[in-house]
Amino acid sequence: EAGVAQSPRYKIIEKRQSVAFWCNPISGHATLYWYQQILGQGPKLLIQFQNNGVVDDSQLPKDRFSAERLKGVDSTLKIQPAKLEDSAVYLCASSLRFGEKNTEAFFGQGTRLTVV
Amino acid sequence: KQEVTQIPAALSVPEGENLVLNCSFTDSAIYNLQWFRQDPGKGLTSLLLIQSSQREQTSGRLNASLDKSSGRSTLYIAASQPGDSATYLCAVRLNYGQNFVFGPGTRLSVLP
Repeated sequence: EAGVAQSPRYKIIEKRQSVAFWCNPISGHATLYWYQQILGQGPKLLIQFQNNGVVDDSQLPKDRFSAERLKGVDSTLKIQPAKLEDSAVYLCASSLRFGEKNTEAFFGQGTRLTVV
Repeated sequence: KQEVTQIPAALSVPEGENLVLNCSFTDSAIYNLQWFRQDPGKGLTSLLLIQSSQREQTSGRLNASLDKSSGRSTLYIAASQPGDSATYLCAVRLNYGQNFVFGPGTRLSVLP
């Protein structure tokens, strides 16, 4: 079974530039998450999708971050414009629909973003 | 608001020791709890998932327990090996929402 795929693995940009990350979840997983992990901390949820609908985006800095999952499968996360404090690892995860028997979450390798 | 803490923040042990990592959460109304392993520069690998109705789960040398009423979970690693060196994160999934709230992790070093 293929895992959660993310690209790119690494990205270095200058502040005020824009950047986009891509995630392909495990086939059949209705729920998709984007997390931000700052060095030395646990991941923090940015946004959660159920199919192509947003379940929780309360911690997403909407003035600069946006995310979409148009067809309920792949997802993109965009930052525009980037700030120095956005330097972090961006993790994508997926799981079966909430309420199904096994709701174990599976994570991708992450995208390490450095803003200079 | 659910908060998750992990103690200790870092741990260094000689190879072969049994060890316990601790996870505490403030709101006992959880759906399940999951332990993850993270190697430097890598994503998260799922180790064990405990549903709220369960008391423990085992996989190989790993055993995770859950005490919802006290808001605690422990991850027990038997006969530790240098390959176990990594950061271990616990995450709780909420009843009223569906997202995971993570602890800050415990950084484990197993010395040969």
